[in-house]
Amino acid sequence: EAEVAQSPRYKITEKSQAVAFWCDPISGHATLYWYRQILGQGPELLVQFQDESVVDDSQLPKDRFSAERLKGVDSTLKIQPAELGDSAMYLCASSLKNTEAFFGQGTRLTVV
Amino acid sequence: KQEVTQIPAALSVPEGENLVLNCSFTDSAIYNLQWFRQDPGKGLTSLLLIQSSQREQTSGRLNASLDKSSGRSTLYIAASQPGDSATYLCQRGGGGGNKLTFGTGTQLKVEL
Repeated sequence: EAEVAQSPRYKITEKSQAVAFWCDPISGHATLYWYRQILGQGPELLVQFQDESVVDDSQLPKDRFSAERLKGVDSTLKIQPAELGDSAMYLCASSLKNTEAFFGQGTRLTVV
Repeated sequence: KQEVTQIPAALSVPEGENLVLNCSFTDSAIYNLQWFRQDPGKGLTSLLLIQSSQREQTSGRLNASLDKSSGRSTLYIAASQPGDSATYLCQRGGGGGNKLTFGTGTQLKVEL
């Protein structure tokens, strides 16, 4: 069964270091989303891509976060420098246009 | 700003009870409403998707309804089991480019 792949599953990094997460959506899904979920809260959208273009990055802290989807397939989310408050689950999802969204297992980031 | 709220925030019930989880959204211009389940430390598992043209969807012991005019969706779980214990999240899809907005979740515990 097709699924959204994310790596790594877990990441521990020291504050001020750089960290990157990778997501491979379901084949053929043009829309890709990155979410951040702080413990005990609902996921918050960071960035949404339609193919290789950014549709919404209004909640992305652009001073330290960046996201790219160069060929319109897989995507990378980067944080540099990481801060203690960035500790969270980072979720990737993909969908066809205006249809059901499928989520990966997420990357749990701990900044120490 | 589009907001999605879920009531109650937490719920504990004995095994076998039927229960209803509520989801309210402020903007009725939606494409779809999706319910997810999330186990602790895990990603999101899609349960049911209701398109804006539909009133309800059913899958096994789960039934989800959508009332766009009142901005509400409910998830009905019949004959609850301990394995149903998880956090349940609703997600509103809508706006330009299918923006996805999550509720804050309902943490369900089904006790033996």
